[in-house]
Amino acid sequence: DIQMTQSPSALSASVGDRITITCRASQDISNSLAWFRQKPGKAPESLIYGASSLQSGVPSRFSGSGSGTDFTLTINSLQPEDFASYYCQHYYVYPFTFGQGTKVEI
Amino acid sequence: QVQLVQSGAEAKKPGDSLKVSCKAAGYSFTDYMIEWVRQAPGQRLEWMGRINAGNGDTTYSQKFQGRVTMTRDTSATTAYLELSSLRSEETAIFYCARGIWGGPPDYWGQGTLVTVSS
Repeated sequence: DIQMTQSPSALSASVGDRITITCRASQDISNSLAWFRQKPGKAPESLIYGASSLQSGVPSRFSGSGSGTDFTLTINSLQPEDFASYYCQHYYVYPFTFGQGTKVEI
Repeated sequence: QVQLVQSGAEAKKPGDSLKVSCKAAGYSFTDYMIEWVRQAPGQRLEWMGRINAGNGDTTYSQKFQGRVTMTRDTSATTAYLELSSLRSEETAIFYCARGIWGGPPDYWGQGTLVTVSS
């Protein structure tokens, strides 16, 4: 199975900050990478697919980049609803595995 | 709008089986996949498998092979997840999500909490 490793596991930030989360795959996954936000006690929400394409309705403060094994999620101007956990997932081959998550705290 | 509405919370005993439903609305059910993802308390998301809602083809994570069955009822636009031989450490929230061939999920259900305890 392809292992997905995120860093950091947690970070502290303030409203208005710019943050970056990284995700590394254990082998080349091309651009088959998605990002999700999960607010406490809620279902995940889809943010990005294809490493850099925003899902419909996702605010433009979210952006993604990378290909191969190294990927990043950047959030410009953090909003109160962005204090949540973030997960990357590859969909290159089965099984589709997730990273361990990054918790963004105030 | 796209909606996935899952069945309610359940309590199970070790050795029991679970069956969770996922009712889809707001799109053409048979044009998409339904994915199933599990999340144990405080743990990462875990992909269990997917079903092609159009032709019923399934792909399961090897971790659950032999214990998991994913089905769908196209007339009811509903997908189902069955997992047998539950263990106490398998208390988790089960999510369904809409997916596409060659892509990740885009819309998610609200989740179904399954508590496994003797």
